[in-house]
Amino acid sequence: EVELVESGGGLVQPGGSLRLSCAASGFAFSEYWMSWVRQAPGKGLEWVANIKQDGSQKDYVDSVKGRFTISRDNSKNSIYLQINSLRAEDTALYYCARDVYGAYDPVSGEGPYWYFDLWGRGTLVTVSS
Amino acid sequence: DIQMTQSPSSLSASVGDRLTITCRASQNIYSYLNWYQQKPGEAPELLIFATSTLQSGVPSRFSGSGSGTEFTLTISSLQPEDVAAYFCQMTYSTPWTFGQGTKVEI
Repeated sequence: EVELVESGGGLVQPGGSLRLSCAASGFAFSEYWMSWVRQAPGKGLEWVANIKQDGSQKDYVDSVKGRFTISRDNSKNSIYLQINSLRAEDTALYYCARDVYGAYDPVSGEGPYWYFDLWGRGTLVTVSS
Repeated sequence: DIQMTQSPSSLSASVGDRLTITCRASQNIYSYLNWYQQKPGEAPELLIFATSTLQSGVPSRFSGSGSGTEFTLTISSLQPEDVAAYFCQMTYSTPWTFGQGTKVEI
């Protein structure tokens, strides 16, 4: 079965750290960029970071730069998110998602188009004293 | 960063109704616009990518259109299983950003 399963969330005090994991199965993991996306309780979605197939390129939203680190281990079909210096506003359900790109519009020449075609169920991070 | 604004934030409609949700970008994003559906208590699922391309397995009552800064998601005939939140997402440049969501109820 094609799936992503996140783990590692929990209750942590402000300033603390956590390491989130996402295990992939059922597809050629090493061929895909992967992302972390979070959703604060009752709120919308926020893309957090992504990582290239071989880990050589990473990108982050400004609000987490310097505090969060995305990584991957293709031998374990997994990505990770090391989150440090946690703040109350980092409280959220953290999803991992599979990035897809490559579609082009033959008429306009636009592309490649990026999108998330597979999501996990998420792991909850709660930052509170 | 490019901001995405959805409207309305919520709506209530009847089974069989035609619905339109609008997403506006703060600058030109060409056709780099995706739509996701998130049912209560579940992870989001991809509905449409590149403004108008239906993801495999998504019912044909869903459609997308637009370009530049204004985009729409249309449900041609609302079904009970369409109760969900709908999010647009732009992927023209990072950071990729989402609209705040539209909650659809029956």
